[in-house]
Parts: sequence; structure tokens; C-alpha cells
Amino acid sequence: SAVISQKPSRDICQRGTSLTIQCQVDSQVTMMFWYRQQPGQSLTLIATANQGSEATYESGFVIDKFPISRPNLTFSTLTVSNMSPEDSSIYLCSVKSMFDTEAFFGQGTRLTVV
Amino acid sequence: GNSVTQMEGPVTLSEEAFLTINCTYTATGYPSLFWYVQYPGEGLQLLLKATKADDKGSNKGFEATYRKETTSFHLEKGSVQVSDSAVYFCALRSGDDKIIFGKGTRLHILP
Repeated sequence: SAVISQKPSRDICQRGTSLTIQCQVDSQVTMMFWYRQQPGQSLTLIATANQGSEATYESGFVIDKFPISRPNLTFSTLTVSNMSPEDSSIYLCSVKSMFDTEAFFGQGTRLTVV
Repeated sequence: GNSVTQMEGPVTLSEEAFLTINCTYTATGYPSLFWYVQYPGEGLQLLLKATKADDKGSNKGFEATYRKETTSFHLEKGSVQVSDSAVYFCALRSGDDKIIFGKGTRLHILP
């Protein structure tokens, strides 16, 4: 299974600012995804991070708010832009390789916007 | 579209009780099915999986059988422990490799 390092693990941010979350995997993976888990809620897929091209966003999520980069097969970033208290959530990176059935998850970034 | 429905929580049981958490799904094709667990303050971990009809996934005393005829993947454990207290998510993997989650069921086990 892949080992996923996500940074930062938590942060408290002022409204109107932006935060970039990093996801590093210890092996090359086919797929990388970003999820949001709002307090007490389930996980919602934000987007699929595509290597070398624009991410594919799910309904309700847009690139201006959640720009994503994936420069190679082991690294991706998610930026939460112009934050408001409603963005307070846990953001999780998920990866899947060609040979795995399941996806693996990072420990998550707990974001609080004040 | 694809979706997962699981029983609402919280579920509170005494130690050594029998556990069932119901999960049903809607999907096109033949998805893979999963149970993930999130222990307090920790990340999401895969508990068990099944990739085709009639497969039984098992781990740590938990079991779930992929029932195509009832589109279900109920989680069971014969004797729960306090350490099983966590949030359990039923999930499916769609054809484009996206994981779709149920709302989660919080389980409390009392000593």
C-alpha cells in the first residue's frame, strides 16, 4: 500500500486568505484525488488531480476556489482560496495505483477558518 | 448516478454485542465495494473490500458479503470491543476509479 504524507496536518487561517495543502506519495500512482470532509459529515470528492493537465472538478467545485496542481506521479497540491468559515473542514488526499482495487488516504488536513 | 446509503447513527452497543451496519448501493455496472473506518483523531483506513458478487471481505473480525441481488454490503461483527468505537463508511468504486462514500455511521461501544 502507498504511504501518503499530507502537509500541513492542521491550520487556523484568517478569512480571505489562501492555504495550499501538499500531498506526497512514496510511489508512483495512477490516480490522485482530493476530498473534503465537513464536520460530522461524509467525504465529498472535490476533484481528480491529473498529471500535467487541469484537474477534473466535481459538480459544485470550481478551479478558482480550489486550484489543484499535479506536476508528477507522486505529488499534488490543493489550494483553498479566499477562505471563509464555511471552508472549515478536513481535506484529504487519496491515491490509487493501477494495480490496487482500493484507494488509500492521507491523514488529512484539518482547516479552521476564523 | 452512483450512490451509497448506510444506516444512520450513532449506534451504541455494549461490549461483546453483535453488530450490523446496513449498506445498500446504486451503481451502473459492477462496482467494487468497501468499508472504511475512521478512528477518533485518525485518518481513513480500509477495513475490508469485495470486488465481485458473493465475495466476502473480512478483517479484524468484521465481515461483509457483496450481495448483487439486494445491492447490499452489510457490515457485521460477532462480538464488538470498546476499541471498535469509530466511524464506519460504506463506499463503492465507480468505473472511473472515484470512491463514493455513504454518510458514515458512528459506533459507540460501552464497556
